[in-house]
Amino acid sequence: EDQVTQSPEALRLQEGESSSLNCSYTVSGLRGLFWYRQDPGKGPEFLFTLYSAGEEKEKERLKATLTKKESFLHITAPKPEDSATYLCAVQAGTGNQFYFGTGTSLTVIP
Amino acid sequence: GAGVSQSPSNKVTEKGKDVELRCDPISGHTALYWYRQRLGQGLEFLIYFQGNSAPDKSGLPSDRFSAERTGESVSTLTIQRTQQEDSAVYLCASSLVGRGTEAFFGQGTRLTVV
Repeated sequence: EDQVTQSPEALRLQEGESSSLNCSYTVSGLRGLFWYRQDPGKGPEFLFTLYSAGEEKEKERLKATLTKKESFLHITAPKPEDSATYLCAVQAGTGNQFYFGTGTSLTVIP
Repeated sequence: GAGVSQSPSNKVTEKGKDVELRCDPISGHTALYWYRQRLGQGLEFLIYFQGNSAPDKSGLPSDRFSAERTGESVSTLTIQRTQQEDSAVYLCASSLVGRGTEAFFGQGTRLTVV
């Protein structure tokens, strides 16, 4: 069965303290790995799409990387406004749906 | 439109009543998804529409749930005879071509069954 596992479940960082979030997946025929940010009471906001091992994408303080088994979301010098839940999702094979992990809740303390 | 629009944003209904949730996708997006997010839990796939193809209904939890989409426009998710366990946020997303491309989500409809 296709699975997506995110770790840690929760992460508290001091402002400026860089860290990484992990998304590991067990799927056959990856068609895309997607990172989203979700703020309380809102829908997920798209961040990045990664398609193949070795690919990297960057946006402001965020950088997403992909290997054959996992993806990392690196957060450099985070700010309090980066506090949110970060979701990872995959599409694989001939399936239509996105398989979502349960997310990492990030809190950045001023 | 600029983004995916869902209505209503909040809905409180009595157990046993039917509810209809609406989703307006991004103009030109051929693929549309419905997901359910229970409090503190991950996103559960419900249904997928792609153009004029038959929808993928594999995620619908029971026959009380149904959805329709007219062409590449508005979609409605209907829940009949609502139960308390149906309480959740229902999220709609659309993507340009479907499989392998990112989807953009609406703000969701928070459904509370009392």
